[in-house]
Amino acid sequence: KAGVTQTPRYLIKTRGQQVTLSCSPISGHRSVSWYQQTPGQGLQFLFEYFSETQRNKGNFPGRFSGRQFSNSRSEMNVSTLELGDSALYLCASSLGTGATNEKLFFGSGTQLSVL
Amino acid sequence: SQQGEEDPQALSIQEGENATMNCSYKTSINNLQWYRQNSGRGLVHLILIRSNEREKHSGRLRVTLDTSKKSSSLLITASRAADTASYFCATGFGGSNYKLTFGKGTLLTVNP
Repeated sequence: KAGVTQTPRYLIKTRGQQVTLSCSPISGHRSVSWYQQTPGQGLQFLFEYFSETQRNKGNFPGRFSGRQFSNSRSEMNVSTLELGDSALYLCASSLGTGATNEKLFFGSGTQLSVL
Repeated sequence: SQQGEEDPQALSIQEGENATMNCSYKTSINNLQWYRQNSGRGLVHLILIRSNEREKHSGRLRVTLDTSKKSSSLLITASRAADTASYFCATGFGGSNYKLTFGKGTLLTVNP
């Protein structure tokens, strides 16, 4: 079974631009979560999508948005990029059954650098 | 804010030694999970312990959970150079809005 695939692997943007990151979950997984990882703040939860609906959301500004398609693939978008948005963005998938003991399967991440 | 806090932040040991990492958290949990991350890559799930369990083993890994102290420990026995990585604890909590919250991790270096 293929793992979680994130594209692109690296991205360089300038302040004010917008960016779209893509995530393909493991086949059969219906939940996709996004995390931002920085050296200072660690791993911070952005949002989770299940069956094309946002099921949970972290404390990030509205510039960060996401969506999920009918095939469970997900995209996240960051508009009006700021220097502080430079981070490793990680996508994780899970079955999404709603069981409270699910584990996450992570992709390798997209390293975003904002200049 | 982060739910789990790992201790120590960094740990350096020799191959063959045991490594112990601790995690403390603040609120109720459904489960606590440990993940490993090699430099700049995604996280890999290691082990999950439910709130009603006290100890769990998986290969060279041993996890304990003390809900009265709101703490957990991860023990890696007979460490190898390939165990060099960052280790994160993550607390799972909630019903319909269940989510995992990660700590900042412990960087383990195993010297050959």
